[in-house]
Amino acid sequence: GQQLNQSPQSMFIQEGEDVSMNCTSSSIFNTWLWYKQEPGEGPVLLIALYKAGELTSNGRLTAQFGITRKDSFLNISASIPSDVGIYFCAGTGANSKLTFGKGITLSVRP
Amino acid sequence: GAGVSQSPRYKVAKRGQDVALRCDPISGHVSLFWYQQALGQGPEFLTYFQNEAQLDKSGLPSDRFFAERPEGSVSTLKIQRTQQEDSAVYLCASRDRGLYEQFFGPGTRLTVL
Repeated sequence: GQQLNQSPQSMFIQEGEDVSMNCTSSSIFNTWLWYKQEPGEGPVLLIALYKAGELTSNGRLTAQFGITRKDSFLNISASIPSDVGIYFCAGTGANSKLTFGKGITLSVRP
Repeated sequence: GAGVSQSPRYKVAKRGQDVALRCDPISGHVSLFWYQQALGQGPEFLTYFQNEAQLDKSGLPSDRFFAERPEGSVSTLKIQRTQQEDSAVYLCASRDRGLYEQFFGPGTRLTVL
């Protein structure tokens, strides 16, 4: 099925560094969501974006809904070891279902 | 309050067996979704309920997959005559009325031998 484009597949950063992740789609979405998933658990919602151009923060996380409605980015500032996990972007339109990217696995070196 | 719960957390089935996976959504959430997550992939949509009505089942991979939510709360995903390619994590999510955010349960990991 269709998936959003997330790359690279893995990112390795040093504790304290900032990291930015991008997500692109060939389709327009009305809402963008960012989730984090840890081993053996379901995805946990981090941030939701509702309007093109919107910039939203949640603690050390900042996400933006692209103007074209076909992309979004997530930024994590001052990374800490517990930021380790898989980060998924997801988009939804009028049909309610979420379309996910393949995810980016983030590793943080202490 | 309590989040989405799923049971069992792990299920091992022999090829050809039928399985039933249960989802208890967040209390009061009108919408319920099932997703399938293969190893190393993002979740993929299977089906969607609003109350007891199944509004979209376009993601169900074959007629061996069946989902129900008879009273508009708990949902069951049933897979008949399981095949090895059915091995995956099955995630359930629920959503409150009028909102877009979906909240996920921990998933059921199905392994078909």
